[in-house]
Amino acid sequence: AQKVTQAQTEISVVEKEDVTLDCVYETRDTTYYLFWYKQPPSGELVFLIRRNSFDEQNEISGRYSWNFQKSTSSFNFTITASQVVDSAVYFCALSEPQTGANNLFFGTGTRLTVIP
Amino acid sequence: DGGITQSPKYLFRKEGQNVTLSCEQNLNHDAMYWYRQDPGQGLRLIYYSQIVNDFQKGDIAEGYSVSREKKESFPLTVTSAQKNPTAFYLCASISAGGWNQPQHFGDGTRLSIL
Repeated sequence: AQKVTQAQTEISVVEKEDVTLDCVYETRDTTYYLFWYKQPPSGELVFLIRRNSFDEQNEISGRYSWNFQKSTSSFNFTITASQVVDSAVYFCALSEPQTGANNLFFGTGTRLTVIP
Repeated sequence: DGGITQSPKYLFRKEGQNVTLSCEQNLNHDAMYWYRQDPGQGLRLIYYSQIVNDFQKGDIAEGYSVSREKKESFPLTVTSAQKNPTAFYLCASISAGGWNQPQHFGDGTRLSIL
């Protein structure tokens, strides 16, 4: 079973629009970590945010915000006033420390295109 | 600056040939990982190593081999047994016990078949 589901394969928005990228996860562990990474066209993965399972407080960083809801097993990512530089593939990932290996389980990614 | 260096950036493999992808880190991290990325898919774990001289298979280890003789280095060999090697390969690392820390990634190697 897929541990991390990103149902949106591709999204296109016009510059300055807000956009939300969805992430739904599945785990039986009580302690886990969720991450968002950005992959620009150059290919490297850029870390955006980490959230542990005990901290449901939403977070805002500039134009980025994250909404963590354990009740729905979701960790959604919103970009406000999108810019062309936000165009990339965004990955949500889950880490289950109790497995002992700190392996990351990635979703299939959402390709965001911001049209100028 | 500290980071992860993957080389080469592009690699071509002939049929029946083994090729080795390099991954070096100067972050003093204990654990290192290899992922494979195919178009439209997320990253899938090939192998990982938590300490020197030890490594474990990930979800798609068949057709690949690794070694971890030095803390800084975790090369990946794509063997001729891997029938569909064309993909983007990413190396990552993290310090031991850093379960809540993000993995650091290299810039990747794009492997293609000639």
